[in-house]
Amino acid sequence: RKEVEQDPGPFNVPEGATVAFNCTYSNSASQSFFWYRQDCRKEPKLLMSVYSSGNEDGRFTAQLNRASQYISLLIRDSKLSDSATYLCVVNEGGGADGLTFGKGTHLIIQP
Amino acid sequence: NAGVTQTPKFQVLKTGQSMTLQCAQDMNHEYMSWYRQDPGMGLRLIHYSVGAGITDQGEVPNGYNVSRSTTEDFPLRLLSAAPSQTSVYFCASGASSYNSPLHFGNGTRLTVT
Repeated sequence: RKEVEQDPGPFNVPEGATVAFNCTYSNSASQSFFWYRQDCRKEPKLLMSVYSSGNEDGRFTAQLNRASQYISLLIRDSKLSDSATYLCVVNEGGGADGLTFGKGTHLIIQP
Repeated sequence: NAGVTQTPKFQVLKTGQSMTLQCAQDMNHEYMSWYRQDPGMGLRLIHYSVGAGITDQGEVPNGYNVSRSTTEDFPLRLLSAAPSQTSVYFCASGASSYNSPLHFGNGTRLTVT
């Protein structure tokens, strides 16, 4: 059975702080990894893809650790607008049955 | 840029009624899918399609039908609504099924009484 696990939180973090959370996946053959952001009662939106070498987009850094089968998301200098649920998404099956979503980590940035 | 358009945004059904949730995309994506999202359960795949004329079941297909007569449209039909189908439904499309990101519609909030 495909498993993508995330700490549901909530993570309560003061504005300006750095926060990081991980996501573990069960299938070592997984090929594709993404982080999505979902605001309350809205659709998920792609935050960033996760590449093997790690990648950065402004204040956001994503890392992949294949040996331990997890991906991470680091947010620096957090803003109030970063408050959202962050979904880890993995192609566990490697095929056309698509992607497996984690249940999400709820992040609250406090002023 | 329309992207993925879902209708309706809200719907209330009585048990046993049927309805169709509409989904259309204008990005010429081959892959389309339907998810439901319930509290504490995350997104679960209902049905998906890798191209016109091709559909397949996801994790939770019971009680739902789909068809893909064109690349653009991927309607989801509830055959006989049940309270267990109360959920938020998202349609999504992507250039491929596994290595490209998905674009989501705004969602449909369905309540079955």
